[in-house]
Amino acid sequence: DQQVKQNSPSLSVQEGRISILNCDYTNSMFDYFLWYKKYPAEGPTFLISISSIKDKNEDGRFTVFLNKSAKHLSLHIVPSQPGDSAVYFCAASARNAGNMLTFGGGTRLMVKP
Amino acid sequence: KAGVTQTPRYLIKTRGQQVTLSCSPISGHRSVSWYQQTPGQGLQFLFEYFSETQRNKGNFPGRFSGRQFSNSRSEMNVSTLELGDSALYLCASSLVISGSHEQYFGPGTRLTVT
Repeated sequence: DQQVKQNSPSLSVQEGRISILNCDYTNSMFDYFLWYKKYPAEGPTFLISISSIKDKNEDGRFTVFLNKSAKHLSLHIVPSQPGDSAVYFCAASARNAGNMLTFGGGTRLMVKP
Repeated sequence: KAGVTQTPRYLIKTRGQQVTLSCSPISGHRSVSWYQQTPGQGLQFLFEYFSETQRNKGNFPGRFSGRQFSNSRSEMNVSTLELGDSALYLCASSLVISGSHEQYFGPGTRLTVT
């Protein structure tokens, strides 16, 4: 069973507008959530993270929101740029599970000029 | 600071053979994790090593094994290769700090089994 799900396999956004990528999880033991960006033929690049004790974390154009009651998190990118076009993965880690990450299936973001 | 390096970048093997992949973590990082990425299963955790000890293991058969050396470099081995082992194998390193779980990934080794 998929413990972390990204229900939208792709998203297309106009340059300058907001991109919103969504992620749902089922395991209530998850206490830390991360977003990674991946270009073809490269490893994932860490973007931003959030602890379960927070509901929002901001870093420049990137903001992650966490709704624990709904077991839902989202990544907002404002403004979107063509260089943001990549596959975005949501990942979660559980307390007492070391650095083991459970990944979602990814969302391909395309930002059109 | 140099990033995570993985060798080789590409590998072609035949069913039944075995393969060893190598990973050098970021300097100072003591935790190394391995992941398998396939189109069907996505990114899946294989195992994590810290201080030369396996700390966590994912749901993979015993044909998949790994080790870590005293300098934190890590290797993973896959024996008796199957066609389904064709994948991108990613290594990630991390500072083991309480409450911090950021992991930094290498470029991966693309393994093709024929």
